[in-house]
Amino acid sequence: DGGITQSPKYLFRKEGQNVTLSCEQNLNHDAMYWYRQDPGQGLRLIYYSQIVNDFQKGDIAEGYSVSREKKESFPLTVTSAQKNPTAFYLCASSMGQGYTEAFFGQGTRLTVV
Amino acid sequence: AQSVTQLDSQVPVFEEAPVELRCNYSSSVSVYLFWYVQYPNQGLQLLLKYLSGSTLVESINGFEAEFNKSQTSFHLRKPSVHISDTAEYFCAVTGTGANNLFFGTGTRLTVIP
Repeated sequence: DGGITQSPKYLFRKEGQNVTLSCEQNLNHDAMYWYRQDPGQGLRLIYYSQIVNDFQKGDIAEGYSVSREKKESFPLTVTSAQKNPTAFYLCASSMGQGYTEAFFGQGTRLTVV
Repeated sequence: AQSVTQLDSQVPVFEEAPVELRCNYSSSVSVYLFWYVQYPNQGLQLLLKYLSGSTLVESINGFEAEFNKSQTSFHLRKPSVHISDTAEYFCAVTGTGANNLFFGTGTRLTVIP
C-alpha cells in the first residue's frame, strides 16, 4: 500500500540530546513537509522540501535540521538548541508546488525529559 | 500569505443532531481549501477539499462544506452526526502555486450519546 511511514510512534529523549525522526513515503511525491503540533495551536511548518537535495525553512525552523538525499526520505533532527522539543511531529507529502492535497503520516510523539 | 481562523475550539453535540464547524480564511490570492480530520494520536486524513468549480463539496461519510468567497468562509456541516465522528477537525488553506498549507487551530467535535 502507498503511504507515508513515520517512526518511531513514541520517542523519549533526555534533555540536551539530538534525536532524529524518520519519514519515508512511497507515493512518488516530490514535496515533503514537517509540521509540529501543540495543543490548541494547530500545525506549524518546520521545514519543507520541493525536490531532492533542496529544502526550505518554515515558520519555526530554529532548533531543527533536515536532509533530503532521497526522494522517498525526509528525516528531521531535533537538536539540543530547540528549547521546547516535546510535541507531536507530523510528516506530510504532496505531488509538488502549488499542491492540491497533502498526505500525512501517523506522527511521532516526542517527549524530552 | 494566507491564514485560517476556526472560531470554535470545542463543539459538543448530541448523536443524530446536526453540526456546523466554522472556518474563515484570509488571502490576497486565489485559494484551495481543505478540511482534515484527526483521531487521537494519529495523523491527519483529508475529509474534503475545494479546488475550483462547484462551491459545495461533499465527503463520502456525509460531511459537506461550502466555499463562500464573499464571506471568506468554508464551514463544515453534517446533518446528523454519529459517535464515530468524534475527532479533531482542521481547516486549511493554501494559495494557488504556494508552498505551504496554513492550518487553523482545530475544532474538537465531541458527539454525546
